[in-house]
Amino acid sequence: DQQVKQNSPSLSVQEGRISILNCDYTNSMFDYFLWYKKYPAEGPTFLISISSIKDKNEDGRFTVFLNKSAKHLSLHIVPSQPGDSAVYFCAAWNSGTYKYIFGTGTRLKVLA
Amino acid sequence: EAGVAQSPRYKIIEKRQSVAFWCNPISGHATLYWYQQILGQGPKLLIQFQNNGVVDDSQLPKDRFSAERLKGVDSTLKIQPAKLEDSAVYLCASSSAFGGTDTQYFGPGTRLTVL
Repeated sequence: DQQVKQNSPSLSVQEGRISILNCDYTNSMFDYFLWYKKYPAEGPTFLISISSIKDKNEDGRFTVFLNKSAKHLSLHIVPSQPGDSAVYFCAAWNSGTYKYIFGTGTRLKVLA
Repeated sequence: EAGVAQSPRYKIIEKRQSVAFWCNPISGHATLYWYQQILGQGPKLLIQFQNNGVVDDSQLPKDRFSAERLKGVDSTLKIQPAKLEDSAVYLCASSSAFGGTDTQYFGPGTRLTVL
């Protein structure tokens, strides 16, 4: 049972354009969501997060949007840079069960 | 600030052999996590410690996996005996407090190949 899904395994975007990475979840009890970025041979690094009581959080070029009714969140990167090329994981936290659930990841390639 | 350290970085073993991984979290971090990441999948939480106590190990295959965190600092994860399906990257992470809102810091991982 995959409670957190990233249906696009890969995405290619031109440098300077917007990258939109999507994540869907099934468990309405998730109350905190995070995005991590992972380069090859490194561990994931935290990027941005959002509480379930908000619908948007912005940090520089990165914005996360949360649509609770659709159980959907997205990460927008504007403008995209070649250094953004990595695998992006969304993760959800359930404070009732103390569990983190990660999605399967989306590989972003930003073309120069 | 030093990051999360893990060793070894790579390990190749035969099935039915034993293997152990070591993790040194960021100094002062109370919470430590072990994840298994199989190729093409996201990290799956195996066990989480709060200081030296286990908070959740519901997804740890306890017939072959064990983990400990002595003195609430370093941690070891052991597999005995290993199976082919244990081939994965084993990630250790730590956070200063317990809870989803606290940022987890990941180590580089140990890539295990079971032949």
